[in-house]
Parts: sequence; structure tokens; C-alpha cells
Amino acid sequence: GESVGLHLPTLSVQEGDNSIINCAYSNSASDYFIWYKQESGKGPQFIIDIRSNMDKRQGQRVTVLLNKTVKHLSLQIAATQPGDSAVYFCAELPSMDEKLTFGTGTRLTIIP
Amino acid sequence: DAGVIQSPRHEVTEMGQEVTLRCKPISGHDYLFWYRQTMMRGLELLIYFNNNVPIDDSGMPEDRFSAKMPNASFSTLKIQPSEPRDSAVYFCASTLPGTANTGELFFGEGSRLTVL
Repeated sequence: GESVGLHLPTLSVQEGDNSIINCAYSNSASDYFIWYKQESGKGPQFIIDIRSNMDKRQGQRVTVLLNKTVKHLSLQIAATQPGDSAVYFCAELPSMDEKLTFGTGTRLTIIP
Repeated sequence: DAGVIQSPRHEVTEMGQEVTLRCKPISGHDYLFWYRQTMMRGLELLIYFNNNVPIDDSGMPEDRFSAKMPNASFSTLKIQPSEPRDSAVYFCASTLPGTANTGELFFGEGSRLTVL
């Protein structure tokens, strides 16, 4: 079946550096792609989304890139801070659907 | 503002016992979702409601699981009888109609269930 997956399960980054978290998806019918952050002991928190008709979207310190040709999604976090340490999930939402499918997650650790 | 409220935060029970998890969505949110999170399977959608009506329960593992939403401010997820493999963190999330089809959900802090 189609699924959302992540290339790397763990990532360690020096504080202040930029980080890039990658995600591969296989459902070409997905309309929205979303990144969530989950801190220890908490529920997932929405970070940013991107619609399938876009290839880049920027937020505060975060940028999401979408490459539909190779079905790849990435989350860039600029000037990482200790509070960025968390598990990051990509998720996809098919067109005309309300059921979000989550990837397996990448653990990002910021080294002080 | 109060977010999604779940209770209990932690529950430890013995196999065969009934478990009831509770959720209060954000006021005004028409959609409510129940997810289960485990190390092996990640985040899985169990069931979701729109305006208190179950829309899709295809993710409910088996008949031992049931969910209700008697009103707009309350939902329950019940497991009867519970089994050790039900051990997981159960999340409730809610959202508005405008954000249900963009994937922006508001999650509670979860209920960690351990079945011995």
C-alpha cells in the first residue's frame, strides 16, 4: 500500500546550525503535506503545511520544500535551538479527504 | 485558551479490565480524531467524528474497541476487554472544518495506557 516514510530515524545538530529533515511519500494523490513536532510526553504539534501546487513555503525559522517529481518533502530549521529537540513527523492528506497519514518520525537532537 | 483535554494521562490496568479514555475537544471544533501511537506502528488513526457523528472507524482494531461522542464537548474511547497489546499512547485531536482538509489538527497530551 502507499505510505509516508522517512529517510533517517535520528539526526543530531549543533546548536545554531541549520537542520534538514527528509521525508519520502508515495501517494501522488495527496493534496497537502504537513510537518508536526512532538516533544517528549506531549502530543504532536502542527508546524507548517504545504499544498501540492507549491514547491516551497516558509515560516518562522522553518522552510518546507516539496519535490513532486521525486515525491520528496523536507523540513529545514534555521539556527537551531535546544527547544527544537523533538521527533518530527511528516504527514500527508489525500485530496478531498480528512484522514491524515503520518510517517514514522525523525528524532532531532540539538547539541549545546 | 484551553487546548484538547484528555484523561486520564496515565492508566495501568490488568488484562481483561475495561478501559475508558476521555477527550474534551477545543470548543467550536467540529472534528474529533482518535489516534494510537506505538513504537512499532507509529501514529495510527482509529476513528474520527464530524459534528458528533462517526465518519470513519476503519482504523479501529477490533470489536473490543468502541468510541462515542454523545455531544460536541465530549468523546470516549473504550476498550473492553483490554489486552497487553493495547498498551500505547492514545491521542485525541480536534479541528475546524476549514483545517480538517488541510491537515492541521490540535492534539491533546495523550493518555498512556499500560495493560499488564
